[in-house]
Amino acid sequence: QVQLVQSGAEVKRPGASVKISCKASGYTFAIYYLHWVRQAPGQGLEWMGIINPSGGSTTYSEKFQDRVTLTRDASTSTVYMELSSLGPEDTAVYYCARGTGYSDYWGQGTLVTVSS
Amino acid sequence: EIVLTQSPGTLSLSPGERATLSCRASQSLGSSFLAWYQQKPGQPPRLLIYGASSRAAGIPDRFSGSGSGTDFTLTISRLEPEDFALYYCQQYETSPPFSFGQGTKLEIK
Repeated sequence: QVQLVQSGAEVKRPGASVKISCKASGYTFAIYYLHWVRQAPGQGLEWMGIINPSGGSTTYSEKFQDRVTLTRDASTSTVYMELSSLGPEDTAVYYCARGTGYSDYWGQGTLVTVSS
Repeated sequence: EIVLTQSPGTLSLSPGERATLSCRASQSLGSSFLAWYQQKPGQPPRLLIYGASSRAAGIPDRFSGSGSGTDFTLTISRLEPEDFALYYCQQYETSPPFSFGQGTKLEIK
């Protein structure tokens, strides 16, 4: 069965960076793009970016363009999301989700807490 | 960037009633690249509808999607207790960003 398993919760200081992993299984990794979406406490869903696991090409939301980097390791079917220059407003649950446009499978989410 | 506006913000209904949720796009989604998701507390979103009207695998037929251009609707024909949740629309027209609406909370009256 299709699974996206994300790394565990993180606590970071303001100004630091965080790198979250998303390991895919149960399907051919190269075929489906992977999105990253975040959700601040009590807030809605915010689309951050997308990566093509086949070639590694990426597209980012303008809001995060200067701070986010998506990468992948095809040998382990894993994608990574790194967000730099963290501030308290980056406290959120971060999700990876499979799909070229809409997303049919989602990871369980990773809580990132930014606090001094 | 395409902006999606969902209405109402909160919908209060009773089990067995019909729910109608709206999603309006700031520009036409020419190919009806519009999806609906359901989210319950502490869980990731669950895909309900894609392509404006196609039900995702395993979704009960009481959920239906309709619309085109800029106006889209998610209808739940007869509410079950497990349907009370948050609902989001998302557009995936041509190229990113694939923006979401702000959500509609469906609560028990």
